[in-house]
Amino acid sequence: ETGVTQTPRHLVMGMTNKKSLKCEQHLGHNAMYWYKQSAKKPLELMFVYNFKEQTENNSVPSRFSPECPNSSHLFLHLHTLQPEDSALYLCASSQDHGEYSYEQYFGPGTRLTVT
Amino acid sequence: ELKVEQNPLFLSMQEGKNYTIYCNYSTTSDRLYWYRQDPGKSLESLFVLLSNGAVKQEGRLMASLDTKARLSTLHITAAVHDLSATYFCAVDINQGGSEKLVFGKGTKLTVNP
Repeated sequence: ETGVTQTPRHLVMGMTNKKSLKCEQHLGHNAMYWYKQSAKKPLELMFVYNFKEQTENNSVPSRFSPECPNSSHLFLHLHTLQPEDSALYLCASSQDHGEYSYEQYFGPGTRLTVT
Repeated sequence: ELKVEQNPLFLSMQEGKNYTIYCNYSTTSDRLYWYRQDPGKSLESLFVLLSNGAVKQEGRLMASLDTKARLSTLHITAAVHDLSATYFCAVDINQGGSEKLVFGKGTKLTVNP
């Protein structure tokens, strides 16, 4: 167990649906991340939150909307997705010290299929 | 734009053999991470390399970092089947005031009996 949990583990949704992915970290970290892992591309950073504030949005389409209500929880709200958005979505957390961060700990991921 | 290149991307080796996976990156960084991912699972942290010349070993795996050459290696000694997985290196950079990891494409390792 890495101390980072994600729900659901698997999700199938239609292109007109709205769903949310949830991530929770139990490590006392102050930075959280969303990554997308698809078969044909390297692991892609989507969003970074430090101290609950979004510090990075890696040119992600607006159909993905992150929310970080506190330093332990991170959501990814999904709406009107496309089939090419099907991927493994990984959440991670780390302790950010300003000038550097310690290693990131990853959750188990949510396998998303858009039909 | 930072590029992180791993090679080989696919590696099939026999048990008992040695091999090295390489990770090259294109910009200055003195922090590099190695992760392991089993099929259908998440990423597991293997090594954290925080300075030039850093070397870390865990079991049959040894990782090193040469920041001047912008190169890290992951050496496998006397491979066993349990090491079959995909291995990622990730380079830590500070961009626009925020830290981020840039990952290589991964090396899929298969160890055959």
